Amino acid sequence: DSGVTQTPKHLITATGQRVTLRCSPRSGDLSVYWYQQSLDQGLQFLIQYYNGEERAKGNILERFSAQQFPDLHSELNLSSLELGDSALYFCASSVALASGTDTQYFGPGTRLTVL
Amino acid sequence: GENVEQHPSTLSVQEGDSAVIKCTYSDSASNYFPWYKQELGKGPQLIIDIRSNVGEKKDQRIAVTLNKTAKHFSLHITETQPEDSAVYFCAASRNSGYSTLTFGKGTMLLVSP
Repeated sequence: DSGVTQTPKHLITATGQRVTLRCSPRSGDLSVYWYQQSLDQGLQFLIQYYNGEERAKGNILERFSAQQFPDLHSELNLSSLELGDSALYFCASSVALASGTDTQYFGPGTRLTVL
Repeated sequence: GENVEQHPSTLSVQEGDSAVIKCTYSDSASNYFPWYKQELGKGPQLIIDIRSNVGEKKDQRIAVTLNKTAKHFSLHITETQPEDSAVYFCAASRNSGYSTLTFGKGTMLLVSP
């Protein structure tokens, strides 16, 4: 158990809908990262937050957004969902922004299925 | 940006054999190289990492080697066991406030009893 929690574990929804994925980092970790994992693309970095502020963006679609709250939990919002958004979404956390060399600890993931 | 290539995509070994997974990276400024193990239905779990000031690191049956000149690093698992069966990912990042991990596409390791 990494100490990172994610809810829900599974999510099934329809095209065009909006969903929210939630992540709670390890106790004491200030950075949260979101990744998308699909069979053909592997683990793709989406976005990073540090202590409530956005710090880095990867291949995140404009339909997707995220935020980190004062209690450091984070939410990833996915809107206007398409079939191709079906994937595993992982949250990871690390102790501090510091550098790109912080050890990242991953949560168990949310499996999103768009029908 | 950084590009990480990982080989092989699948690797089948007999229990007790050694397994080697190789990764190459493109950004010469990268200096942190973690390896993650992902079991079915779970999130990636860090198993070992290496930083650029070190050429090799060992932890029991697992070792990682780094060749910065050639820009490649490898994961070595000795005396493999069935519970080592999983998908292994290599990754790379640089020491920068805005840098993030770039992952290889993964290697599915199957250890047969």
